[in-house]
Amino acid sequence: GQQLNQSPQSMFIQEGEDVSMNCTSSSIFNTWLWYKQDPGEGPVLLIALYKAGELTSNGRLTAQFGITRKDSFLNISASIPSDVGIYFCAARNTNAGKSTFGDGTTLTVKP
Amino acid sequence: GAVVSQHPSRVICKSGTSVKIECRSLDFQATTMFWYRQFPKQSLMLMATSNEGSKATYEQGVEKDKFLINHASLTLSTLTVASAHPEDSSFYICSAREIGWKAFEQYFGPGTRLTVT
Repeated sequence: GQQLNQSPQSMFIQEGEDVSMNCTSSSIFNTWLWYKQDPGEGPVLLIALYKAGELTSNGRLTAQFGITRKDSFLNISASIPSDVGIYFCAARNTNAGKSTFGDGTTLTVKP
Repeated sequence: GAVVSQHPSRVICKSGTSVKIECRSLDFQATTMFWYRQFPKQSLMLMATSNEGSKATYEQGVEKDKFLINHASLTLSTLTVASAHPEDSSFYICSAREIGWKAFEQYFGPGTRLTVT
């Protein structure tokens, strides 16, 4: 089946540093999504990307839909302690279809 | 907008009992709801897709007689874990897809922590 390879698996950074994580696949997708999950909570949608090459920002977060439609990255600038959590990428092909999720990137921010 | 609630947030039950988890879309109508299971430090595992008014579609390996899903209205879906056993202990998360011109995205509930003793 379709799989998303998310990397890195975990990151330990200092407060104020920038963060970059990405998601790749051997399959083409039409929509890429990025979610954040806090411990003991459900994932929250951060950014949705609908067009190849699209670059979208949400505050300190920036995500891009790869031009090949097989990858996406998420950048977080000037990290703060509340950025701690697990970041999941997800992708799908049709609007009515189910999304495939990556395995997540666990982010730890040291004050 | 796009708020999804789950109830209960945490449940502890004895082996052999059945547990019902509710998932509600509070401020939108959802034709489709998804049920996921998540083990510690792991990704979301899709269990089933639930469409309002029709039978749920289960993923391969998920027992439909064990995990009973009912999507009776556009704002409510329930997951019943029948005759729960310790291996069913997990974090169960529902997600709802909003009907709309653009809103095809899934919004997640806060999850239900099930512990079977």
